[in-house]
Amino acid sequence: DAGVIQSPRHEVTEMGQEVTLRCKPISGHNSLFWYRQTMMRGLELLIYFNNNVPIDDSGMPEDRFSAKMPNASFSTLKIQPSEPRDSAVYFCASRRRQTNEQFFGPGTRLTVL
Amino acid sequence: KQEVTQIPAALSVPEGENLVLNCSFTDSAIYNLQWFRQDPGKGLTSLLLIQSSQREQTSGRLNASLDKSSGRSTLYIAASQPGDSATYLCAVSLNNAGNMLTFGGGTRLMVKP
Repeated sequence: DAGVIQSPRHEVTEMGQEVTLRCKPISGHNSLFWYRQTMMRGLELLIYFNNNVPIDDSGMPEDRFSAKMPNASFSTLKIQPSEPRDSAVYFCASRRRQTNEQFFGPGTRLTVL
Repeated sequence: KQEVTQIPAALSVPEGENLVLNCSFTDSAIYNLQWFRQDPGKGLTSLLLIQSSQREQTSGRLNASLDKSSGRSTLYIAASQPGDSATYLCAVSLNNAGNMLTFGGGTRLMVKP
């Protein structure tokens, strides 16, 4: 298995632009999580899905952030419009149903100028 | 609100030494606890998962213990190697929170040859 796949790996954009991050979870995993990691705040959960349905989005910082999971093999996290304080590494993780163990993707390093 | 603390924040040891990393959490009603490793600029790699009903888990030179009642977990690394240098993160999931993970700040380990 290829593990959790994220794209792009790096994204540099200007303030005000729309940013879309993509994630393909491990096949057969039923839950998907989006996290954000910064030096100041560490790892924070933004939103998670069970069986493609958003369960808890209380970690989404603002209405500028939105996430979708149209099917079991794909999810997006969108920021519109982006701001410099959104600069961080964004991780996607999926969970194995049987053990509840989470597996992380390599992350997308976002820089908003 | 669950809080997870890891001490020390940074640790430097000579190669071959046995070491212990500590993790404490404030709410003992956890579903499981997971230890991760993160290399610089990389994603998180799952090392060990301990279910709430378990006391410890072992994988190779790694041993993780869990004491729910006292809100503590330790990660023991035997015969440390320079390749063990990384940041180690512990994370807990709560019974009533859909297994969302709350992360500690991590311990940055340096093993010197």
